This record gives sequence, structure tokens and C-alpha cells, in this order.
Amino acid sequence: SQTIHQWPATLVQPVGSPLSLECTVEGTSNPNLYWYRQAAGRGLQLLFYSVGIGQISSEVPQNLSASRPQDRQFILSSKKLLLSDSGFYLCAWSVRRDSYEQYFGPGTRLTVT
Amino acid sequence: AQTVTQSQPEMSVQEAETVTLSCTYDTSESDYYLFWYKQPPSRQMILVIRQEAYKQQNATENRFSVNFQKAAKSFSLKISDSQLGDAAMYFCAYRLTSTSGTYKYIFGTGTRLKVLA
Repeated sequence: SQTIHQWPATLVQPVGSPLSLECTVEGTSNPNLYWYRQAAGRGLQLLFYSVGIGQISSEVPQNLSASRPQDRQFILSSKKLLLSDSGFYLCAWSVRRDSYEQYFGPGTRLTVT
Repeated sequence: AQTVTQSQPEMSVQEAETVTLSCTYDTSESDYYLFWYKQPPSRQMILVIRQEAYKQQNATENRFSVNFQKAAKSFSLKISDSQLGDAAMYFCAYRLTSTSGTYKYIFGTGTRLKVLA
């Protein structure tokens, strides 16, 4: 069966510090991968999605970036965090073709102080 | 552009009663998928139900069913015999169909459902 992992689960970082959130998927190949941010009381905002290694599409211009160094690994990064980067970050995957729903990881709660 | 609107930020239902959560969307596509996701306090997103736009029949999963009105672009979720475990944030989502293998999902802002004992 497929599983999706995210780490860390919780992170507290000062403004201006770097960020690296990691997501890995097991039990499937060539997935579409997604990063979402969920701000308090708001819905899910799509940040990035990827259809393959090194292929990243950005939805929202910001100081975040994403990379996909391996087929089942998706990384969300920032060189300098802003207070507005605080939120709950969710990674998700879906089958490349003929897919229906997405499957979500457990999420990372990021607090920028 | 495709949008998903959930106009009810919060709803309450008595245990064992029925509640309906509303969702409307805007699209120019004729073929697409719609979903309801549940996010309990653990914040793990769980798929509740999905609906293919080309299907006339409303989807049903046990106590959960949808009322899909394609012409009105409405996709409401009905929860029957509500249970305490149904208390969660519910998100409506729309999937853009792509022949290139790229899929994007657009989510509404969510409806928080409280179940009263």
C-alpha cells in the first residue's frame, strides 16, 4: 500500500532563517506531487506541483521554492522565512494518469517567530 | 478561472440528525471531478466522497451522499445519522482535467461541522 511521510511534524523558526520541509511517498512510482499551505481558518492554497523529477510548477509567487530530486521526494524550501510563512503545510500525491483523488500526508505545522 | 466556494464557515447538527454542507464552483470545463474531504482535529485530510461530472447519478458512501447539480454548478454533501466522529472541517475540491497528466486541485475555504450530543 502507498504511504506518504512528512517531516518534521512541528517546526518553530525565527524570521530570516532557512526552511526545508521534506515529503516522501512509498509504494507508488511516478506520482504527481503537491505542496499546499493552510493558514489559520482558511482553505488549502496550492503552492507547487510536480509531474516528475526536476519538474516544478509554481502557483503563487513568494519566497518559497520546491524541488524534486528523486521520483518520490518533494522538498519545500526557503532561504529566509517571513512571519507570513507560518501555517500548516501539507504534501499530497496522486497517480500520474487516470487519477481521481489526492492522498495527503500528516502535515507540518510551521510557526515563524 | 476555476473557483470553489463554501458559503457556510460553520454548521452544527444534533447527533443522529442530518446536515447538508453547501459547495458551488465555477468552471468552463465539461469534464471534471469533485470531491469532499474531511479534516478532523488531527488535521489528516481524508477523502469522503468523489463525483465524476459526466455521471448523472449522485455518489453515495454509506452515510455520506452528494447532491450534484451540474447546470447549477452545485455540489452539496449530506451527512445522515450524524455521529460525534463526523465533527471536522469539510473541504470541497475540484480537479482540473488534463490530458498531459498534470492535475491541479482547487479547494474551498472549508466548513467546520460541530456535532452536538
